[in-house]
Amino acid sequence: SYELTQPPSVSVSPGQTARITCSGETLPKQYAHWYQQKPGQAPVMVMYKDDQRPSGIPERFSGSSSGTTVTLTISGVQAEDEADYYCQSADTSDTYEMLFGGGTKLSVL
Amino acid sequence: EVQLVESGGGLVQPGVSLRLSCVASGFTFSNFSMNWVRQAPGKGLEWVAYISLSLNTVYYADSVQGRFSISRDNAKNSLLLHLLNLRGDDTAVYFCARAVRDCSGGTCLPGTGMDVWGQGTTVTVSS
Repeated sequence: SYELTQPPSVSVSPGQTARITCSGETLPKQYAHWYQQKPGQAPVMVMYKDDQRPSGIPERFSGSSSGTTVTLTISGVQAEDEADYYCQSADTSDTYEMLFGGGTKLSVL
Repeated sequence: EVQLVESGGGLVQPGVSLRLSCVASGFTFSNFSMNWVRQAPGKGLEWVAYISLSLNTVYYADSVQGRFSISRDNAKNSLLLHLLNLRGDDTAVYFCARAVRDCSGGTCLPGTGMDVWGQGTTVTVSS
């Protein structure tokens, strides 16, 4: 089994850029996806296959990948972006296993 | 409107069984693979199970292997999760989630991302 590691928290002021990282040994071989979850709500996909933004997601959300780390970047952070963010990937080498990172609480100060 | 609605959760004692349902609407359910994901109180997301669109492939997380069973009825646009021999650490909100469909050159394959989620149903296991 493998792990995806995220920082527990990230804090930024409104208008600044937030970067949330996710590290894992399988990330060079597997795509990563990102989800936003606000309290009491279901997760919402905000990034797909490392850097693809789903329809309806604001352009301030972007994604990138480099080696064993993927990064979700939120430019010009707004108060409504305060939420938990989870990365997710898959290991399909031996069997089929999907894994989520531990989540990052984004605080907009 | 594309929608997933879960039901079937509740307060149950350890050792009993439960069946969760997820009804899909607004899209062709039989064209998509599906997942169950759970979230324990105050914790992160945990993938539970996957079923392919044609029912011939299922996968489970190690934590539920042998106790949970995923199935689907494409005629009824429904996804099911049978939970057997429930334990306290199965207490969680259970979400059904649609697997993304990657289409290229006329061929569509299920991706590993999840693009549509239900609101979840709560399972509490306690004596």
